[in-house]
Amino acid sequence: GAVVSQHPSRVICKSGTSVKIECRSLDFQATTMFWYRQFPKQSLMLMATSNEGSKATYEQGVEKDKFLINHASLTLSTLTVTSAHPEDSSFYICSVGGLYGYTFGSGTRLTVV
Amino acid sequence: KQEVTQIPAALSVPEGENLVLNCSFTDSAIYNLQWFRQDPGKGLTSLLLIQSSQREQTSGRLNASLDKSSGRSTLYIAASQPGDSATYLCVPSAGGGNKLTFGTGTQLKVEL
Repeated sequence: GAVVSQHPSRVICKSGTSVKIECRSLDFQATTMFWYRQFPKQSLMLMATSNEGSKATYEQGVEKDKFLINHASLTLSTLTVTSAHPEDSSFYICSVGGLYGYTFGSGTRLTVV
Repeated sequence: KQEVTQIPAALSVPEGENLVLNCSFTDSAIYNLQWFRQDPGKGLTSLLLIQSSQREQTSGRLNASLDKSSGRSTLYIAASQPGDSATYLCVPSAGGGNKLTFGTGTQLKVEL
């Protein structure tokens, strides 16, 4: 399967600041990448589908102005949490894949203080 | 809408036991099914991928079976080890571009 690198693995930021999370597909040209959020002891929830060269598709209830997604190349998608608040503290995971299965990044633990 | 149920929700066993983790899904129109493990605070690691035309896949001590028509998959873990402790997730997929559905998984603890 594809190799996916996600960075940073852990970040602490102050309330009101913005945080950028990177997801790289190292050996697979990904026209689509997926961003998930996971709260403690809960399932992964899809936030948005990142599309290379075009706008991301957001799931219902996810604020696109708050969670900015950029997919400027076939190997890199970024998720920026803007004006972060404590309730945005969560585990964010990206994924690449399709017909032949999915590969997930190692995740980013975001803590907003 | 696809729904995934995994039984049991949690399992604690002594080292060396053979285990069976069950997964059921409501929409049998899938392209494939993957089993993942998730360690605390980590991402998902793919264990096995079964295509819809296949009945089972094996990797080392792991064997996964798929009965697509009845919406069931089973993961067998032989001779369990403490390093197998993790949450196991089964994820059916309808193919590229379709959303994945996750259940809450089976939380496994293998004790010495």
